[in-house]
Amino acid sequence: QQQVKQSPQSLIVQKGGISIINCAYENTAFDYFPWYQQFPGKGPALLIAIRPDVSEKKEGRFTISFNKSAKQFSLHIMDSQPGDSATYFCAARGSNYQLIWGAGTKLIIKP
Amino acid sequence: DAGVIQSPRHEVTEMGQEVTLRCKPISGHDYLFWYRQTMMRGLELLIYFNNNVPIDDSGMPEDRFSAKMPNASFSTLKIQPSEPRDSAVYFCASSPVGGGYEQYFGPGTRLTVT
Repeated sequence: QQQVKQSPQSLIVQKGGISIINCAYENTAFDYFPWYQQFPGKGPALLIAIRPDVSEKKEGRFTISFNKSAKQFSLHIMDSQPGDSATYFCAARGSNYQLIWGAGTKLIIKP
Repeated sequence: DAGVIQSPRHEVTEMGQEVTLRCKPISGHDYLFWYRQTMMRGLELLIYFNNNVPIDDSGMPEDRFSAKMPNASFSTLKIQPSEPRDSAVYFCASSPVGGGYEQYFGPGTRLTVT
């Protein structure tokens, strides 16, 4: 119940295309769903986050879509650029302030 | 602000040696988290502190691992004795007052145990 399942494990997208990464969860008590971006040799950094009372949040080229009934949420990167190549993690926050992390998706944007 | 500071950035040690990783959280943050990242297991939470008090250490692999936070600006993660399977990148992260909504990660310590 504490797991967050993330897919795909890796993704290759052409420059200018749309990158989509999906996550699913079971615990309905989760109250915050962030996405983190990690570049090689760096720590993860918060990219965008959403609360379960909102179905979509957009920040620039990055959008989170949230489906509460399906217990799924996804990250969409529009007009993907080579600089977006990184590992992306979804996560969910439980009542004890811990983040439960997905396994990560390695995204490669081909020029 | 300088962000979360970790030292050393790289550590190579021999099996059986003691290893101490250090972390300075962002000033004013009252939550501190220690993570381990490997290719096989991804990002694992080891332990976290609130106001210098350990709250949950259920992720600590075994008694060889210990963590302390003697004050609000310093924490250590110690492995004694170290084993090759401890090789990983260890991250420290901190969160501001109110909980772990945003965790700010340090650059990590890459530990290699030979």
